[in-house]
Amino acid sequence: EDQVTQSPEALRLQEGESSSLNCSYTVSGLRGLFWYRQDPGKGPEFLFTLYSAGEEKEKERLKATLTKKESFLHITAPKPEDSATYLCAVQAWDDYKLSFGAGTTVTVRA
Amino acid sequence: GAVVSQHPSRVICKSGTSVKIECRSLDFQATTMFWYRQFPKQSLMLMATSNEGSKATYEQGVEKDKFLINHASLTLSTLTVTSAHPEDSSFYICSATGKETVNTEAFFGQGTRLTVV
Repeated sequence: EDQVTQSPEALRLQEGESSSLNCSYTVSGLRGLFWYRQDPGKGPEFLFTLYSAGEEKEKERLKATLTKKESFLHITAPKPEDSATYLCAVQAWDDYKLSFGAGTTVTVRA
Repeated sequence: GAVVSQHPSRVICKSGTSVKIECRSLDFQATTMFWYRQFPKQSLMLMATSNEGSKATYEQGVEKDKFLINHASLTLSTLTVTSAHPEDSSFYICSATGKETVNTEAFFGQGTRLTVV
C-alpha cells in the first residue's frame, strides 16, 4: 500500500525566513509525486509534479525536489500570502489514484 | 490550467434527507473523476473513482449505497449522499483528469462543506 508522510505537521515562519517541508513516500513504482497548496475551506491548488529522482521544479518562492524516497518543498523568503497547508501526493504506475499525506500547515508572520 | 467547478460550496440539510453535489470540468473532457472526503486537519481520503459511462469503483469501507456516484458525461459527475446523518458532515472534494492530463496533474474543485443537522 502506498504511504505518504509529511513533516512537520505545522510550521510557523517569520516573513523572509526560508525553510523546507518534507514528504517521505513508499510506492510500488512511482508515476509522479504531486505538491498542492490548500487554503482553508478550499480545494487543493496544483503546484508541481515531479517524475524522477533528481528532478527539480520552481514557481516563484517555491522549489520542489525529488529523491527516490522523499521530496522537499523549499520556501525561500516566504511572505504572509504563502500561509497555507501544503499537501504531497503520490501516484503509482498501476493506478491513477493519488495517495495524500496529511499536509504541513505553514503560517508566515509579517 | 484546467478548471473544475464544484457546486454547492456549502449545504446544510436535515438528517434523513439526501444531498447532491455536482462536479463539472469546464474546459476539458474529464474521463476520470475522483471523490474525496476531508475531515478537519486531516488529509484527503479517496472515496471512489468514476470513469465516464461506467460504474464507480469505491474504496474499501465506503458504502456505495449511501454515496451514489454518477458520471454520465465527460464533463459532469455527481455525488449523492443518501439518508444523510450528522456523521456524514464533512468537506467533500472532487477532482478530474482527462486524456490530456492523465499523466500529469488532477484538477480539484472548490469543495463542498456538508453539514447535517
